[in-house]
Amino acid sequence: EDKVVQSPLSLVVHEGDTVTLNCSYEVTNFRSLLWYKQEKKAPTFLFMLTSSGIEKKSGRLSSILDKKELFSILNITATQTGDSAVYLCAVDLSSNTGKLIFGQGTTLQVKP
Amino acid sequence: NAGVMQNPRHLVRRRGQEARLRCSPMKGHSHVYWYRQLPEEGLKFMVYLQKENIIDESGMPKERFSAEFPKEGPSILRIQQVVRGDSAAYFCASSPDEKLFFGSGTQLSVL
Repeated sequence: EDKVVQSPLSLVVHEGDTVTLNCSYEVTNFRSLLWYKQEKKAPTFLFMLTSSGIEKKSGRLSSILDKKELFSILNITATQTGDSAVYLCAVDLSSNTGKLIFGQGTTLQVKP
Repeated sequence: NAGVMQNPRHLVRRRGQEARLRCSPMKGHSHVYWYRQLPEEGLKFMVYLQKENIIDESGMPKERFSAEFPKEGPSILRIQQVVRGDSAAYFCASSPDEKLFFGSGTQLSVL
């Protein structure tokens, strides 16, 4: 069965800290891995990763994929209270159906 | 993702009633996806539709659930004879490619 596992499930840090969120996967056919941020409403797209070893960056957020070890990490540097959210990792299977397999999410709380 | 419109935002139903959830994809997107998020769980794929066609419904429960995306109008997710276990957030997404853009969801509460 295809599955995506995220760790930790929850994390509490203080503003200014750096955090690393983990996502490992076991799927039959891998097409891409996506990260979303969910703040009590619509998940918003952060990154899509298809190739190993190529870091994607957006401001204080960055992510990288390791297709050999089947995992991805999402880094957030200099965290702010506005980073508090659930971070979702999802794998797109090579089925052309938009069927994403989501992990259970990591709940990040950034304290002032 | 603000372009994917879902309504209602909140829906309360009593056991045995029907729930209808609506989704209008982003302009120019003809692919619609429905996902369900149960409390403390990740998003689970339900169904993928294109205009007038169901492409993949492998995540839909076999009974009481149906989905459509007519030629005109929004996509509808219909749940008949709702039970308490149907209480969840139902998200719709549309896509021009691999990236899905999600709506704000409909929170269904079954009393």
